[in-house]
Amino acid sequence: DGGITQSPKYLFRKEGQNVTLSCEQNLNHDAMYWYRQDPGQGLRLIYYSQIVNDFQKGDIAEGYSVSREKKESFPLTVTSAQKNPTAFYLCASRPQGASIEAFFGQGTRLTVV
Amino acid sequence: KQEVTQIPAALSVPEGENLVLNCSFTDSAIYNLQWFRQDPGKGLTSLLLIQSSQREQTSGRLNASLDKSSGRSTLYIAASQPGDSATYLCALDTIKAAGNKLTFGGGTRVLVKP
Repeated sequence: DGGITQSPKYLFRKEGQNVTLSCEQNLNHDAMYWYRQDPGQGLRLIYYSQIVNDFQKGDIAEGYSVSREKKESFPLTVTSAQKNPTAFYLCASRPQGASIEAFFGQGTRLTVV
Repeated sequence: KQEVTQIPAALSVPEGENLVLNCSFTDSAIYNLQWFRQDPGKGLTSLLLIQSSQREQTSGRLNASLDKSSGRSTLYIAASQPGDSATYLCALDTIKAAGNKLTFGGGTRVLVKP
C-alpha cells in the first residue's frame, strides 16, 4: 500500500537528550514537511524539503534539525536545545507543484520525562 | 503573512443536525484550500480540496464552498452522525508561500451527540 509512515507512535525523552522521529513515504512525492501540534491548536511548520539534499526552515525551526538524503525519508531530530518538545509531531508529503493535496502520517507523540 | 482562523473552536450538535464549519483567511491569493479531519491522537485525513478557480466541492454528505473575495470557506456536513465527531482543520496553499507550504487554522472540535 502507498502511504506515509511515522515511527515510533510514542516517544519519551529525558532532559538533555536528542531524539529522532522517523518519516518514510512510498508515494514518490518530492516535497515533505514536519509539523508540530500542541493541544487544542493548529499545526505549525518546523521544516520542509522540496527535493533530496535540500531543506528549509519553517516557522518554528529552533531546536530541531532534519536531513533529506533519500527521497523516501525525512527524519526529524529534536535536540536538547528545544526547551519545550512535548507535542504531537506530524509528517506530510505531496508531489511538487501547487494544487495537489497533501498526505499525512499518523503522528508521533513526544513526551519529556 | 497568511492568517487562518476557524470559529467556533468547538461545536456540539445532536445527531441528524447539519454541521456548518467556518474558515476565514487574510490573503486571497491562493492555489487551493483543503479541509482535513483529525481523530484524537491520529494524523490528518484529507476530506476535500477546492482549487482557487472553484466555488465549491462535494463528496457524499460533505460540501465545501470557497469565497475568495470575502476570504471565507465553509464546510457543510449534512445529517450529522456520531462518527462525524472529530476535529476539522482547514489549510491554505498560498501563492506567496515558498515551498508550497500549507497554513493551518486552529481547527473546530465537533461532537455529535446520539
